[in-house]
Amino acid sequence: NAGVTQTPKFQVLKTGQSMTLQCAQDMNHEYMSWYRQDPGMGLRLIHYSVGAGITDQGEVPNGYNVSRSTTEDFPLRLLSAAPSQTSVYFCASSYRRQGGGSPLHFGNGTRLTVT
Amino acid sequence: EDKVVQSPLSLVVHEGDTVTLNCSYEVTNFRSLLWYKQEKKAPTFLFMLTSSGIEKKSGRLSSILDKKELFSILNITATQTGDSAIYLCGARFRGGTSYGKLTFGQGTILTVHP
Repeated sequence: NAGVTQTPKFQVLKTGQSMTLQCAQDMNHEYMSWYRQDPGMGLRLIHYSVGAGITDQGEVPNGYNVSRSTTEDFPLRLLSAAPSQTSVYFCASSYRRQGGGSPLHFGNGTRLTVT
Repeated sequence: EDKVVQSPLSLVVHEGDTVTLNCSYEVTNFRSLLWYKQEKKAPTFLFMLTSSGIEKKSGRLSSILDKKELFSILNITATQTGDSAIYLCGARFRGGTSYGKLTFGQGTILTVHP
């Protein structure tokens, strides 16, 4: 049981390049999400999904795309990288439960630098 | 707009001290409040709180929620250097396709000196 797996761990891009950050979970979680973490800003939600075929925007969606074709995978695409997207990116997943919900499980993050 | 605010933003203490971290929230259709500890990599789950006034406890850590005043506290007693970390508070709310959406505060950086 690997949990939430993110690849790559580190990435350097030039301004204008595109790339995809991969996220996979093996816990059969319905809910998956992407956050970015910048110093002093906590975790900010980029996009999330409540199940295969369903995605929605979070607080800071501009410049990012997502899709959810399977329950296991939730890739994050940067269409044209900008220096402002330099950050640490976390993927997180959970069961979709009634009441208070269930805790998020986080991947180990991808550190992205855009020059 | 849903908002979570943590205080203080940073805190430096010595081993053995007791600390209280604060988290206030303004979210529509509140479901739960979650606390996480983040050391070098991924945040790890500490507590999930859904009911007012019921303390959750794990070793030296405890947390409580006040749904009337819209805040939660995380207490750490007899701190150790291993408690040094960023502590993150997140509030989950319900509504439409926002099911399960979790909004986090800025985090509190705790440093414990020997």
